[in-house]
Amino acid sequence: EAGVAQSPRYKIIEKRQSVAFWCNPISGHATLYWYQQILGQGPKLLIQFQNNGVVDDSQLPKDRFSAERLKGVDSTLKIQPAKLEDSAVYLCASSLGQGRANEAFFGQGTRLTVV
Amino acid sequence: QKEVEQDPGPLSVPEGAIVSLNCTYSNSAFQYFMWYRQYSRKGPELLMYTYSSGNKEDGRFTAQVDKSSKYISLFIRDSQPSDSATYLCAMIPTSGTYKYIFGTGTRLKVLA
Repeated sequence: EAGVAQSPRYKIIEKRQSVAFWCNPISGHATLYWYQQILGQGPKLLIQFQNNGVVDDSQLPKDRFSAERLKGVDSTLKIQPAKLEDSAVYLCASSLGQGRANEAFFGQGTRLTVV
Repeated sequence: QKEVEQDPGPLSVPEGAIVSLNCTYSNSAFQYFMWYRQYSRKGPELLMYTYSSGNKEDGRFTAQVDKSSKYISLFIRDSQPSDSATYLCAMIPTSGTYKYIFGTGTRLKVLA
């Protein structure tokens, strides 16, 4: 079974530039998550999709971050404009459903450095 | 106060030692408890999953949940250098959006 695919693996941009990350979840997984993991911290949920609908985006900085999941499969996360504090690993995860007994499988992440 | 507290370490132990990793939490609505292992520059992978209080064993790993104390533990027996990684606890409440809440992670190093 193929895992969660993310690209790019690494990205370096200057502050105020824009950047986009792509995620392809495991086939058949209805729930997709984007997490931000700052160095030395645990992952923090940015947005959760159930199919192509948003379930939770309460911690997404909506003035600069946006995400979409067209057709309920692939997803993109965009930052525009980027700030220095956005430097982090952006992890995409997927699960069959949401909540109990639905293991979240993570991709390898995209490491973003904002200079 | 954070919802989930975890000592960041680092924790260094000799090979073969028993390792104890712990998390405390404040939200009594948490019912599902997980331990993830994260190797450097990799995504987290699920190690153990438990529901409510009790123990669960899987090979060298034992997960323990004490809901009365709001305290969960992961024990690793006969630790190996390959166990060197960051261990993240995660929890899900019984209602709402079933959002995973992660601890900060504990860095473990097992010395050969």
